[in-house]
Amino acid sequence: GQSLEQPSEVTAVEGAIVQINCTYQTSGFYGLSWYQQHDGGAPTFLSYNALDGLEETGRFSSFLSRSDSYGYLLLQELQMKDSASYFCAVRNQTGANNLFFGTGTRLTVIP
Amino acid sequence: EAQVTQNPRYLITVTGKKLTVTCSQNMNHEYMSWYRQDPGLGLRQIYYSMNVEVTDKGDVPEGYKVSRKEKRNFPLILESPSPNQTSLYFCASREGVDNSYEQYFGPGTRLTVT
Repeated sequence: GQSLEQPSEVTAVEGAIVQINCTYQTSGFYGLSWYQQHDGGAPTFLSYNALDGLEETGRFSSFLSRSDSYGYLLLQELQMKDSASYFCAVRNQTGANNLFFGTGTRLTVIP
Repeated sequence: EAQVTQNPRYLITVTGKKLTVTCSQNMNHEYMSWYRQDPGLGLRQIYYSMNVEVTDKGDVPEGYKVSRKEKRNFPLILESPSPNQTSLYFCASREGVDNSYEQYFGPGTRLTVT
């Protein structure tokens, strides 16, 4: 089976840095993805890590440690519009490489 | 514009009345999938399709059916909806099975079954 753990809620101040952690257990592992979902909206893709290390895309970075079954999403220079839910997801080794999502972390950015 | 569309966006129905939620993508993607989202449970996969006429169950398939007769369309069918199927439903597509990882989601369909 698979399981993903991430904090349910995080609050941070505008302009600050916040890290959202994700630990996973899965039989077979291809990579870790992150998705953002604003209230009332659809999930949108942020990043994907297949190999260990840090991937940077603008203000957002994502990190993966395969040996620790752990990853995180780092958001820098927080803006009010970053208030949203963030989901980590793993691709498993089934033929379809389906995505299995965590339960999400609700980030609230305060002034 | 590359997109995934779903219809209807909102639906209130009664127990047992068959309904279909349509999903269409214009990106020529091979892989399509349906998820339901419930508070505290995240996104759970209902069914997926790796290509035309190829469908398989996800994690929560009970009470649902799908079909993939054309590459662009992947309708979700509830033959006899029940109140526990009240949820927010998302259709998603991805370029392929092996070498793509970015999944595109439709805007969602909020279904209420009374």
